[in-house]
Amino acid sequence: EIVLTQSPATLSLSPGERATLSCRASESVSGYLAWYQQKPGQAPRLLIYDASNRATGIPARFSGSGSGTDFTLTISSLEPEDFAVYYCQQRSNWPSFTFGPGTKVDIK
Amino acid sequence: EVHLVESGGGLVQPGGSLRLSCAASGFTFSSYDMHWVRQSTGKGLEWVSAIGIAGDTYYPGSVKGRFTISRENAKNSLYLQMNSLRAEDTAVYYCARDRSGWFDPWGQGTLVTVSS
Repeated sequence: EIVLTQSPATLSLSPGERATLSCRASESVSGYLAWYQQKPGQAPRLLIYDASNRATGIPARFSGSGSGTDFTLTISSLEPEDFAVYYCQQRSNWPSFTFGPGTKVDIK
Repeated sequence: EVHLVESGGGLVQPGGSLRLSCAASGFTFSSYDMHWVRQSTGKGLEWVSAIGIAGDTYYPGSVKGRFTISRENAKNSLYLQMNSLRAEDTAVYYCARDRSGWFDPWGQGTLVTVSS
């Protein structure tokens, strides 16, 4: 099973600041990585797929990069609604899918 | 608008069974693979099962042989039959539409609690 680790566990930032979240895979997943956002009491929402493609309706301040084992989600300028938990997910060995443990972005 | 609504969760004793349902609307249900994903405090997000448009099914080792995913296209519905439930199956269960191996969108979830 491919294990995903995310860092940091918590990121404390202020609105307007840049957020950089990391996801590392235990083996190469090529470009088969996605990012999800989850707010309290809500289901996860797809933000980025195939490492760098924004899902429908996702603002341009969200961007993804990386390939192989190291990936990054960047939020260029945090809006109040962006404070949430972010998860990465891989589909490299379909139909086996795994998620990372999440990074919480909270208000400093 | 695509909409997924889960139901059927509740409290069940260890060793018991439960059947979850997911009602889909806003898209051609029969044309999409579908998934169940669960989220627990202890294990985070975990993919539970998938079903293809042809009815092919897939499971991780943690639930294989205990859970059965099925679909009824005429009713735009997805199901998850869960047998031999364990405490570690306690979680919020989400249904999700497949998007080439990604999950988009998700339903609001239904809580399953396995406890005596």
